[in-house]
Amino acid sequence: AQSVTQLGSHVSVSEGALVLLRCNYSSSVPPYLFWYVQYPNQGLQLLLKYTSAATLVKGINGFEAEFKKSETSFHLTKPSAHMSDAAEYFCAVSGGGSGGSNYKLTFGKGTLLTVNP
Amino acid sequence: DAGVTQSPTHLIKTRGQQVTLRCSPKSGHDTVSWYQQALGQGPQFIFQYYEEEERQRGNFPDRFSGHQFPNYSSELNVNALLLGDSALYLCASSLGRRSPLHFGNGTRLTVT
Repeated sequence: AQSVTQLGSHVSVSEGALVLLRCNYSSSVPPYLFWYVQYPNQGLQLLLKYTSAATLVKGINGFEAEFKKSETSFHLTKPSAHMSDAAEYFCAVSGGGSGGSNYKLTFGKGTLLTVNP
Repeated sequence: DAGVTQSPTHLIKTRGQQVTLRCSPKSGHDTVSWYQQALGQGPQFIFQYYEEEERQRGNFPDRFSGHQFPNYSSELNVNALLLGDSALYLCASSLGRRSPLHFGNGTRLTVT
């Protein structure tokens, strides 16, 4: 079984400031981990994924995340926020195993990122 | 190159009715997964179809059923609708079960 906890349902930053969105997971198998972004009235877009290769994963739009097994964390960061980053962000863990890395994703409840001018 | 397309975009139904939602996967993709996203929540896995068979299922009752056609498109059927079925239903496609999911924009279902 797997689960995801996203700390902070709402994060507000100023434009140009560091973005840090927190995600902790639990998984009974080696995890595959993902961050997705959702803009209003749209589906989810993959930002980045961890599939047991490098622990520091770089994604699109300047985002990156670091897998820390000892802390069971996969926090998302971006050095400098842009107004266009305002959206909802979801962390997800895959059931994985023989089902494949995209099998039965379990999502967190999401973090709404607000960027202030 | 068209991405994942879902129809309809919005739907209003009455309790007890049945509904069918449709999904066309991204070109080249052969696997379709369905997720339910209630307001203010993250998506929840309903089931995944691969080679026209339901491969795995989340914690959803039998009222939720699906189908995958030879062209890889898929339908989600929900019978005996309840108010709690009101949600955004997301379809995601992939190539096999190891490539990243590509999501459609969803169907917003409202049950009154």
